[in-house]
Amino acid sequence: KNQVEQSPQSLIILEGKNCTLQCNYTVSPFSNLRWYKQDTGRGPVSLTIMTFSENTKSNGRYTATLDADTKQSSLHITASQLSDSASYICVVSRMDSSYKLIFGSGTRLLVRP
Amino acid sequence: GAVVSQHPSRVICKSGTSVKIECRSLDFQATTMFWYRQFPKQSLMLMATSNEGSKATYEQGVEKDKFLINHASLTLSTLTVTSAHPEDSSFYICSALGLAGGPTDTQYFGPGTRLTVL
Repeated sequence: KNQVEQSPQSLIILEGKNCTLQCNYTVSPFSNLRWYKQDTGRGPVSLTIMTFSENTKSNGRYTATLDADTKQSSLHITASQLSDSASYICVVSRMDSSYKLIFGSGTRLLVRP
Repeated sequence: GAVVSQHPSRVICKSGTSVKIECRSLDFQATTMFWYRQFPKQSLMLMATSNEGSKATYEQGVEKDKFLINHASLTLSTLTVTSAHPEDSSFYICSALGLAGGPTDTQYFGPGTRLTVL
């Protein structure tokens, strides 16, 4: 069964601290993995995308890793800011013609001053 | 680039009325658009895939007669919630598929529409 699981479900950190979010997937055949940020009441915004051959991708203070062998990904946020408070969703695409996405349930991050 | 808009951003309607939500790709053409529904503290659930010039493909459990989808042009898809009821209240998000060719083809998401049915 094609699934994407994320942990933790929620996380509270202090401003300026780092954090790492986890994503495990069982999707086959694998095409790519994306991390999205979704602010409350808004649509998801893409942070990173990685294909099978990529194992790390950075976007400013966001760094994503991918281990295609263990089917795990992580999103590391450095020097967190209050504006990082949002849901972070791990999304995996299958290599087929449907273009459908398989969504994780997300990690709700709250950054406190 | 790759901006997707939705209109309206919020709508409140009475039970039994119909509501139309528009999804537009502003700076690219999208032969395929997707409609999602999101309940509080849950992730997005795909409702249907909309292809320009053809009938939409609905996911299992989604009533096609209740959620009418029209993808009449390469930049516009509409979702009409017919005879809305309070249980239809939700956050509706569309996405438009931008084809770069290969595994990095991307769905660009709209900002969402909050529907409240009284």
